[in-house]
Amino acid sequence: GNSVTQMEGPVTLSEEAFLTINCTYTATGYPSLFWYVQYPGEGLQLLLKATKADDKGSNKGFEATYRKETTSFHLEKGSVQVSDSAVYFCALNSNYQLIWGAGTKLIIKP
Amino acid sequence: DGGITQSPKYLFRKEGQNVTLSCEQNLNHDAMYWYRQDPGQGLRLIYYSQIVNDFQKGDIAEGYSVSREKKESFPLTVTSAQKNPTAFYLCASSTATWPSPGFLGQPQHFGDGTRLSIL
Repeated sequence: GNSVTQMEGPVTLSEEAFLTINCTYTATGYPSLFWYVQYPGEGLQLLLKATKADDKGSNKGFEATYRKETTSFHLEKGSVQVSDSAVYFCALNSNYQLIWGAGTKLIIKP
Repeated sequence: DGGITQSPKYLFRKEGQNVTLSCEQNLNHDAMYWYRQDPGQGLRLIYYSQIVNDFQKGDIAEGYSVSREKKESFPLTVTSAQKNPTAFYLCASSTATWPSPGFLGQPQHFGDGTRLSIL
């Protein structure tokens, strides 16, 4: 079946550090891939998406590239800020529902 | 501004009691979803609806019920049959329905959630 695996957290970084959060997936067909962000006590917000192989999604300095050969969609940011502290979810969409990773908590220290 | 409104933000349930969580959207979206979120886990689908007066069970529908009498509203009832209801509940909507073209690329939009606890 379809599944999404994210790196376990929490991930703790200093401000201005480089961020990578790994996400790999298993899916039949040609899924779309998403990154969502959840701030404390809130719902999820779409961060970026990619709908086909080699697409790069980007938003607010975050980027992720849809790699079909490695079935990956890793999230990256060149210089993180304290305000980026949140939980990040990777998800795929291959039929009627989204399949979610477990989430990775990111903590940025000043 | 368009969006999804969930209420209440916090809810407490007594043993043997049914409680209803509200979800209203003014985005004119056809599809609506209910998810359950437990600590350290991803979201799990409870129910979804793609059209008024129709809804489908998700992966963990037991102990829950829904209705879709209006396009903008999709309330979730947590019944007394749900023995472990303590969780964060999220409602979402999407403009696309399955299996329409372009469905896979459409994101879901989320409300701010309802936290349900047991008294």
